[in-house]
Amino acid sequence: DIQLTQSPSSLSVSVGDRVTITCQASQDIDNYLNWYQQKPGKAPKLLIYDASSLETGVPSRFSGSGSGTHFTFTISSLQPEDIATYYCQQFDTLRTFGQGTKVEIK
Amino acid sequence: QLQLQESGPGLVKPAQTLSLTCTVSGASISKGGYYWSWIRQHPEKGLEWIGYIYYVRGSTQYNPSLKSRVTISVDTSKNQFSLKLISVTVADTAVYYCARESGSSSFDSWGQGTLVTVSS
Repeated sequence: DIQLTQSPSSLSVSVGDRVTITCQASQDIDNYLNWYQQKPGKAPKLLIYDASSLETGVPSRFSGSGSGTHFTFTISSLQPEDIATYYCQQFDTLRTFGQGTKVEIK
Repeated sequence: QLQLQESGPGLVKPAQTLSLTCTVSGASISKGGYYWSWIRQHPEKGLEWIGYIYYVRGSTQYNPSLKSRVTISVDTSKNQFSLKLISVTVADTAVYYCARESGSSSFDSWGQGTLVTVSS
């Protein structure tokens, strides 16, 4: 099974800060990685697919990069509505999610 | 506009079978190009992929940790797909989501989720 390890598990930031989340895969998954945002009580929402492609309608302050085993998700300037938990997900072999990163306001 | 809606009992007794249905509107399950998936989320925990069905090929794939207990099927006459999980325990208590996996292998559309509690 492919394991995904996200770090940090949580972070406390200020509005306007740059936020960076990493996702480490247990084996090479090329660029077969997606990123989701989940707000409390809601279903996850797709933000980034194929590691770096922005889903239609998603603000450009969200971005993703990486390939192989190391991936990065970035919010260039955090907005209040970005408070959520973020998950990476691989689709190289079956499907697996990372454990999530909770982003809170400082 | 694509919509997915989960339905089914919110309470299941231990050792019984959990059965959920996802009704799809705005797209046809029988049309190729998409996988139809189930994902769950234990209370205050992360997401766990359960499995998917690709109707056109009649193929399914399941999470190895659940494979012996899970069946996903399709009813094209109702444009629905279903989840059956047998021999449930309290560890199966979770919010269950149905989702569509797009051609880019991303979950681009989700149901609102339904909480299933396993308790006697």
